Amino acid sequence: EAGVAQSPRYKIIEKRQSVAFWCNPISGHATLYWYQQILGQGPKLLIQFQNNGVVDDSQLPKDRFSAERLKGVDSTLKIQPAKLEDSAVYLCASIPRGGAGANVLTFGAGSRLTVL
Amino acid sequence: GEDVEQSLFLSVREGDSSVINCTYTDSSSTYLYWYKQEPGAGLQLLTYIFSNMDMKQDQRLTVLLNKKDKHLSLRIADTQTGDSAIYFCAESIPNSGYALNFGKGTSLLVTP
Repeated sequence: EAGVAQSPRYKIIEKRQSVAFWCNPISGHATLYWYQQILGQGPKLLIQFQNNGVVDDSQLPKDRFSAERLKGVDSTLKIQPAKLEDSAVYLCASIPRGGAGANVLTFGAGSRLTVL
Repeated sequence: GEDVEQSLFLSVREGDSSVINCTYTDSSSTYLYWYKQEPGAGLQLLTYIFSNMDMKQDQRLTVLLNKKDKHLSLRIADTQTGDSAIYFCAESIPNSGYALNFGKGTSLLVTP
């Protein structure tokens, strides 16, 4: 089974520029999450999708962050305009629809963003 | 919201046991998890425990859960240098479809 794919792995931008991250979850996984992990901290949930619908985006800074999962498979997370404090690793995770492992998030390797 | 609390650093000698402690926040959490993160890598699930259990053993790993005190611990027996990593405690957020609330992580250093 292929894992959660994320790209790009690394991105360096200047503040006020925009950036987009892409995630392809494990095939058949209905629920997808985006987490932000700032250096030295634990991951913080940004947004959760169930199929193509948003379940929880209460911690997403909506003035600059947006995310979509149009066909219920791939997802993109966009930041526009970026701030210095957005420097972090953006982790994507997914879980299956049901059955064994339905309570276990599988994480991708992450996309590391540096904002200068 | 409240924070899941973990000690930041732990250093042990190779072959000794390591114990990493965590205090979680929500007594309604259905599952409690331990994830491992190596440098430059994503999060790898180590183990999890259902909230109605008080202990789970999986090879070198033993998880203890004290629901009354909302305390979770991870014991690694015969710790090896390859166990050096950051260990995250996480609680499932009730009614959230298994979204997780993570601690800040404990950095484990295993010395020869």
